[in-house]
Amino acid sequence: KAGVTQTPRYLIKTRGQQVTLSCSPISGHRSVSWYQQTPGQGLQFLFEYFSETQRNKGNFPGRFSGRQFSNSRSEMNVSTLELGDSALYLCASSWGGEETQYFGPGTRLLVL
Amino acid sequence: TQLLEQSPQFLSIQEGENLTVYCNSSSVFSSLQWYRQEPGEGPVLLVTVVTGGEVKKLKRLTFQFGDARKDSSLHITAAQPGDTGLYLCAGKYNQGGKLIFGQGTELSVKP
Repeated sequence: KAGVTQTPRYLIKTRGQQVTLSCSPISGHRSVSWYQQTPGQGLQFLFEYFSETQRNKGNFPGRFSGRQFSNSRSEMNVSTLELGDSALYLCASSWGGEETQYFGPGTRLLVL
Repeated sequence: TQLLEQSPQFLSIQEGENLTVYCNSSSVFSSLQWYRQEPGEGPVLLVTVVTGGEVKKLKRLTFQFGDARKDSSLHITAAQPGDTGLYLCAGKYNQGGKLIFGQGTELSVKP
């Protein structure tokens, strides 16, 4: 069974631009969660989607948004990028959200 | 703000030594998980504990959940270079809630 895949793996953007990251969950999993990982703040929860609906949300500004498609694939969008948005963005999938989450390898975003 | 404090942040030891990593909160967890993350990869789940006082073993790794479900520890016996990585604890304060991660413990085991 293929694991969680994230694209792209690496991305360089400049301040003010916007970016879209993609996550394909394990087949059959309906819950996708997104996290931001930085050396200073560690791993922080962004949001969780289940059956195309946002079910949980972390404490991030409205510039961070996401969506989930009918095939459970999810995208995360960050608008008006700031230097502080440089981070490893991880997504994790699970069948319903309460079970074991399986993480993807992440997308490393660098904002210049 | 619900905080999960993990200590130590960094640990550098020689092969064969024992070590313990701690995870503490002032609030009660409904469940707590330990993950290991290697460079360039996402975290991989090691164990989930849900019952106060629970002890789980995974080869040389022993995980303990505090009686009050506010703290947890990870003990590694006879550490090996392959144990090197970032160890993360993560807890849920209620079912259906979001997963809160500790800052992580960066472990380096030298041969």
